[in-house]
Amino acid sequence: DAKTTQPPSMDCAEGRAANLPCNHSTISGNEYVYWYRQIHSQGPQYIIHGLKNNETNEMASLIITEDRKSSTLILPHATLRDTAVYYCIVVIYNAGNMLTFGGGTRLMVKP
Amino acid sequence: KAGVTQTPRYLIKTRGQQVTLSCSPISGHRSVSWYQQTPGQGLQFLFEYFSETQRNKGNFPGRFSGRQFSNSRSEMNVSTLELGDSALYLCASSSVASARNTEAFFGQGTRLTVV
Repeated sequence: DAKTTQPPSMDCAEGRAANLPCNHSTISGNEYVYWYRQIHSQGPQYIIHGLKNNETNEMASLIITEDRKSSTLILPHATLRDTAVYYCIVVIYNAGNMLTFGGGTRLMVKP
Repeated sequence: KAGVTQTPRYLIKTRGQQVTLSCSPISGHRSVSWYQQTPGQGLQFLFEYFSETQRNKGNFPGRFSGRQFSNSRSEMNVSTLELGDSALYLCASSSVASARNTEAFFGQGTRLTVV
C-alpha cells in the first residue's frame, strides 16, 4: 500500500503557482520523498526528490516539513502543459528502483 | 541519448494466450522495473531486475515473469492471459543501484488488450 495521502484533484490558474500537498506521516528516517507526474497516455516523468532539506530544480521546488511528515510540491508558474496526475512517493534508500504509487493528484491548469 | 524504448506499443491477444513485452533501457542503466497500470488499480509495481537478477517483486501471480539480459534489455512475459490483464505496461530504467540520487526514466508503455 502507498504510504502517502494526496488530494484527488486540484485546479490552478495558468501563470499562478501550483502547490500540491502530500502527507507521509509514517515516513521512516531512511526514506526519500519523490515526485513524479504522468501526462495523459505517457509514462511517468520524474520531477524532484528530497530527504529532509528543501530542494529546487528547473521544474519545481519541494518543501519538506521539519518533522518530515508532509511535503509540498510547488510549480512556480503553472502552464497548460503542467496538467497531469502528480504522484508523491516515499522510496527506501538502497531498496532499488521500486516505486509504490498511490492515487496521485490530478492537477488541472486552467486558462 | 535515446530514452527507454518499449515494444510493441499496442497488442491485442486472446484469453489463454501468452505475451512477451520488451524493454530497452537507457544506455548504461542497469536497473529495469516493470509496472502495470489499470483504471481500477492504478500503477502497480511488478518486478525489478538489476544485473540480470530479480531484485524486487510485487504482488502478482506467477503468470507474470520477467528476465534481463546481459545488455540490460528486459522482457516480461504473461502466460494464460485473462481479461483483467488488459492494461498499460510500463518499463522504467535507472542508472544506480540505490534510491539515493536516482530517478526512474519511463518508457511510453505497451498497451495490452485481452479479448
